[in-house]
Amino acid sequence: EAQVTQNPRYLITVTGKKLTVTCSQNMNHEYMSWYRQDPGLGLRQIYYSMNVEVTDKGDVPEGYKVSRKEKRNFPLILESPSPNQTSLYFCASSLRRGRTEAFFGQGTRLTVV
Amino acid sequence: DQQVKQNSPSLSVQEGRISILNCDYTNSMFDYFLWYKKYPAEGPTFLISISSIKDKNEDGRFTVFLNKSAKHLSLHIVPSQPGDSAVYFCAASAGILNYGGSQGNLIFGKGTKLSVKP
Repeated sequence: EAQVTQNPRYLITVTGKKLTVTCSQNMNHEYMSWYRQDPGLGLRQIYYSMNVEVTDKGDVPEGYKVSRKEKRNFPLILESPSPNQTSLYFCASSLRRGRTEAFFGQGTRLTVV
Repeated sequence: DQQVKQNSPSLSVQEGRISILNCDYTNSMFDYFLWYKKYPAEGPTFLISISSIKDKNEDGRFTVFLNKSAKHLSLHIVPSQPGDSAVYFCAASAGILNYGGSQGNLIFGKGTKLSVKP
């Protein structure tokens, strides 16, 4: 089954404690991205990757890092989480950038206290 | 400035009637538009798309209309069913050759919560 898998689904952490949210896709997609969803703000892109070792900032990249060492994986790293990063996070993948449908993971609900 | 706007945060419709969700965009370089549906505790799922060379695309009960001159698109659901109750996101992207940088990516609206009442 074609899918994008994120882990964990839910996470509560404390300010400043580094964390990683994993994302993996099994569709051999080149393009992957991370979004956050906040009430009244919709889906905003954090980072994206057009291929292995090619990443770039989206609209709200501050406080986040990503890496793309393998085609299937695109982890999101919060080096020093802060309460304003409490949000619902989605990983997505697609065949290419733009002009095509994106497949989304189930989401990760992150709370930073 | 928001490039993709869904001005109605919510919409309530009776089962069997038509649901019309609206979306406006400001960037004239956008040439591909998509609608996604999102249930609580799930990721968004692709619903239907339309290229700027068309003004209508239909898939079963779902039809998307594009009015380029007005920079407006709409999603029609006929007939509406209770299972259609979800948040609907409009998204747009620009052709990479025409518009580089992060704008080649999908830009989402804030979403419209549709409630279909039995």
